[in-house]
Amino acid sequence: EVQLLDSGGGLVQPGGSLRLSCAASGLTFTSYAMSWVRQAPGKGLEWVSGVSGSGGTTYYADSAKGRFTISRDNSKSTLFLQMNSLRADDTAVYYCAKSPRMTTVNYFDYWGQGILVTVSS
Amino acid sequence: EIVLTQSPGTLSLSPGERATLSCRASQSVSSSYIAWYQQKPGQAPRLLIYGASSRATGIPDRFSGSGSGTDFTLTISRLETEDFAVYYCQQYDSSPPGTFGQGTKVEIE
Repeated sequence: EVQLLDSGGGLVQPGGSLRLSCAASGLTFTSYAMSWVRQAPGKGLEWVSGVSGSGGTTYYADSAKGRFTISRDNSKSTLFLQMNSLRADDTAVYYCAKSPRMTTVNYFDYWGQGILVTVSS
Repeated sequence: EIVLTQSPGTLSLSPGERATLSCRASQSVSSSYIAWYQQKPGQAPRLLIYGASSRATGIPDRFSGSGSGTDFTLTISRLETEDFAVYYCQQYDSSPPGTFGQGTKVEIE
């Protein structure tokens, strides 16, 4: 059974940094592209960033470019999102999500449970 | 960027009724690269449909997807109490990024 376990969220001040992690099990992790998708309180879903199975190709939404860095450690089946220069509008539940293919971020067939990031002074 | 507009915003129905949810794209979505998700309060989204009409693993056959080009539909043939939730469409034609619609809430009338 595929399981994705998100961790690393919390309260951070504007301008601060946070690193999210997503530990995967029940799958050959390197075979699948992975993404982070977020949901601001009471709002819809927004794709934030994605990475190919090898880690060699990364993708970012405009809102994340230059501030967030996605990476993966395939030896530990773990996905990361390093978030810097955080703003109040980054406040959201962040989900890691798995795509069904290695090279392309497309739809998402498995999701983590989500982790809350709150940016506030 | 492809923009997805879902309608209606809220659908009020009773158990046993048919639900028809619409997702309209601002430009044609090639190869019907549309997915549908269900989200219940406090839970992660769950994949229902991909490729516009293919049901994901374990999804009951009362859920069906259709459409092509710019107009797509999710139909729930007979609503059960566990189906009352928010539904999102997503396009992955221009992925990345794969944009989502704003959601349709299906509530009990």
